[in-house]
This record gives sequence, structure tokens and C-alpha cells, in this order.
Amino acid sequence: ETGVTQSPTHLIKTRGQQVTLRCSSQSGHNTVSWYQQALGQGPQFIFQYYREEENGRGNFPPRFSGLQFPNYSSELNVNALELDDSALYLCASSPGAELTEAFFGQGTRLTVV
Amino acid sequence: AQKVTQAQTEISVVEKEDVTLDCVYETRDTTYYLFWYKQPPSGELVFLIRRNSFDEQNEISGRYSWNFQKSTSSFNFTITASQVVDSAVYFCALNPGTYKYIFGTGTRLKVLA
Repeated sequence: ETGVTQSPTHLIKTRGQQVTLRCSSQSGHNTVSWYQQALGQGPQFIFQYYREEENGRGNFPPRFSGLQFPNYSSELNVNALELDDSALYLCASSPGAELTEAFFGQGTRLTVV
Repeated sequence: AQKVTQAQTEISVVEKEDVTLDCVYETRDTTYYLFWYKQPPSGELVFLIRRNSFDEQNEISGRYSWNFQKSTSSFNFTITASQVVDSAVYFCALNPGTYKYIFGTGTRLKVLA
């Protein structure tokens, strides 16, 4: 086990709703990154938080937003859900902003109907 | 452009066969890291190996070995004497010394008993 935990593990939402996904980073890690993995695809980078600040963002619209808390846990929020948002959302924890090594959680599988 | 290509979508082998998973990457950076991750059905990405761009030594870890060749921009992964527990999706990823991974589309390995 990596020590990175995500909740919930599964979630079903209706198009147009909002969702919050949570991630607890590994002890001693100050950086959390979020990835979206559509079925049959590789993970795509959403954004990274380093010491509570957004440190980089991928090609995702503003309705994808996040937070990192003083204990370095993190949330991913998605507003106005679309069917294409259905995916596995992975959180990665690392000891620094440069990803020499990252540890992933088991993911949250989001289904939008 | 930065890109990772895993041309093999799915590979099936019989237990105890050797299998090689191919990975070709593109980057103009001189300093970068390459990774392999394993994704079992549970969804979590399990770290297997990290290589930096200045270290072209091949590496062996038990039944796993990796062949890094900068001349061909390849970082291939070989499993010797495959086992059913090796069945998973394997991802190759590139980190050009920044805050994100660039993943390939993955190779699904099925090891048949």
C-alpha cells in the first residue's frame, strides 16, 4: 500500500451536478497531483498542488478546480458535470513538486448519467 | 512535443513465457525521467521503476528487466517467466523534470495459466 487514500471509491452523479473527490497524501509528502483516466486510456494530468498552491494545470476547463489543505490533503471539485467526465480519478502524492517519484491512490470511479 | 507511445494495446502470453512491453518517448529536454507503472484491476498505479536520462544502464529486479536506449528513445520492459499475477495494464510515463507525468495509453497484459 502507498499510504495514499481516496474517497469515495465509486460515485454516480447526474449530468449538471457538482462533485467533490478527496485525497489524503502520504505522510511527509507536500505535493498532490490529480489525473483523469478515461476507460482504455492513460491518465491525463489535471493539476498539481504544492504547499497549498496550484503549481501547474493541464488542459482541463475551469469547472475542474481543487484545494490543498494545511495537512496536504486535497480535494478535486468538478462543476456542471458532463457525461465525458465519467472516468477514474487518480490522486498522486509526492515529496516535492518535481515528480521524481509519485505514489498513487486507488482512485475514485465517477460515473455521470 | 512530449509524447509517450505504447504501440501494443494488448498482449496475451502463456504462463512462463517471456514478454516485452515496448515504450517509445519523445522529448526535447535533456533531463527527464522515465517510469513504468502497473495498474491491476483495483485501479491503483503501482510504481515499478524510475530512470533518469543520464543513466542508460539496464536494470534487473527479479523477473523484471528494463532496457533504456536513448539512441532510439525507447524504454522497454521485459518480464521473464511470466505469471498469472503479472496480468494487468502497464503504463510507461515521461516526466520532463516538471510537475506532471505524460503517460502512454498502456499495454494490457494477459497471462494465461
